[in-house]
Amino acid sequence: GDSVTQMEGPVTLSEEAFLTINCTYTATGYPSLFWYVQYPGEGLQLLLKATKADDKGSNKGFEATYRKETTSFHLEKGSVQVSDSAVYFCALLSGGYNKLIFGAGTRLAVHP
Amino acid sequence: DAGVIQSPRHEVTEMGQEVTLRCKPISGHNSLFWYRQTMMRGLELLIYFNNNVPIDDSGMPEDRFSAKMPNASFSTLKIQPSEPRDSAVYFCASSLRSPGLAKETQYFGPGTRLLVL
Repeated sequence: GDSVTQMEGPVTLSEEAFLTINCTYTATGYPSLFWYVQYPGEGLQLLLKATKADDKGSNKGFEATYRKETTSFHLEKGSVQVSDSAVYFCALLSGGYNKLIFGAGTRLAVHP
Repeated sequence: DAGVIQSPRHEVTEMGQEVTLRCKPISGHNSLFWYRQTMMRGLELLIYFNNNVPIDDSGMPEDRFSAKMPNASFSTLKIQPSEPRDSAVYFCASSLRSPGLAKETQYFGPGTRLLVL
């Protein structure tokens, strides 16, 4: 079945460091791909998405490119801030079903 | 837009009691989802509705769990009787599903943190 694999956390960075969180997926057809962010004590917020191959989603300085050839959707940010500390979830929505399949989540901690 | 609204935000109850979680989706959305989040199992889809009709309830853990959507603006998730292993954060999400809209985005509520003692 469809699945999403994320790099394990926690990821600990200093402020202004470069961030990469790896995400790969397995799916039949052509899924849409998403990154959601969950701040402490809150629900999930959509961070960015891409609906077809080579699309780049971007928001708040975060970017991810839909790579069909490597079945990946890695999240990147050039310069992280303390306020980016959160758990990040990669997810896919497969074409035939209205189900979001989530990765396990990656906790990011950014220190001043 | 107010977003997806869930209540209560926190619930503490004793084992064996009935628990009812409530969700109001975003106005105009026609799909609604219930998820459960635990440390051990991550995010799990429990059930989803389309146009108030349950489409897939394969994620509902057992008969103690039930969900209803009596109208387009309200859904409940009920656990009866509750058990300590039901302690988790329960999220509701909604989306707009239409024939010409590919891969609709789900928007999540703030969640209900349930603790069963």
